[in-house]
Amino acid sequence: NAGVMQNPRHLVRRRGQEARLRCSPMKGHSHVYWYRQLPEEGLKFMVYLQKENIIDESGMPKERFSAEFPKEGPSILRIQQVVRGDSAAYFCASSPGAGSEEQYFGPGTRLTVT
Amino acid sequence: DAKTTQPPSMDCAEGRAANLPCNHSTISGNEYVYWYRQIHSQGPQYIIHGLKNNETNEMASLIITEDRKSSTLILPHATLRDTAVYYCIVRVAGSARQLTFGSGTQLTVLP
Repeated sequence: NAGVMQNPRHLVRRRGQEARLRCSPMKGHSHVYWYRQLPEEGLKFMVYLQKENIIDESGMPKERFSAEFPKEGPSILRIQQVVRGDSAAYFCASSPGAGSEEQYFGPGTRLTVT
Repeated sequence: DAKTTQPPSMDCAEGRAANLPCNHSTISGNEYVYWYRQIHSQGPQYIIHGLKNNETNEMASLIITEDRKSSTLILPHATLRDTAVYYCIVRVAGSARQLTFGSGTQLTVLP
């Protein structure tokens, strides 16, 4: 059973460009979480999604950031008009569903904004 | 979710047991204690969780005090690959909510 997959693993964008980060959850998992880890800081929750629904986006910046988890395909975290402060590691985690205690994390996408 | 307190860093000799403490004095009756770790630059890895009984799996043991106000994660025979930041997290059982990571304990296993 393949683990959580994220791509790309490394992404370089110039200021003002768009970044798209993809996350494929583990097989059978219907819940996806996105976390951000700024350099030398801890992991911070961004958004929690189920298929076709955003359940909790309380950790998402109000502007430029959006997330989706369509019926088919991976979950996408989209950052528009990136700025240098968006440079971070973005981790995706998945779980089977409500009542499941563990979240399984992907290897992360390292975003560098130049 | 209850707040947790962990020492910022610890060292352990390779082959010895690593005992990582966590205080969670405000834990409530329906909150579990979870442990995750993050090896440098990798995604966090689930280790173990428990409610009130001691738990053991292939990675570690979790000892929770009777009053549930503190716990200890035990890696019985630490190896260099166990060097990581270890996070103790308390959250409500049965919820699919996000994990709230604190600053954790940087465990360094020394050769």
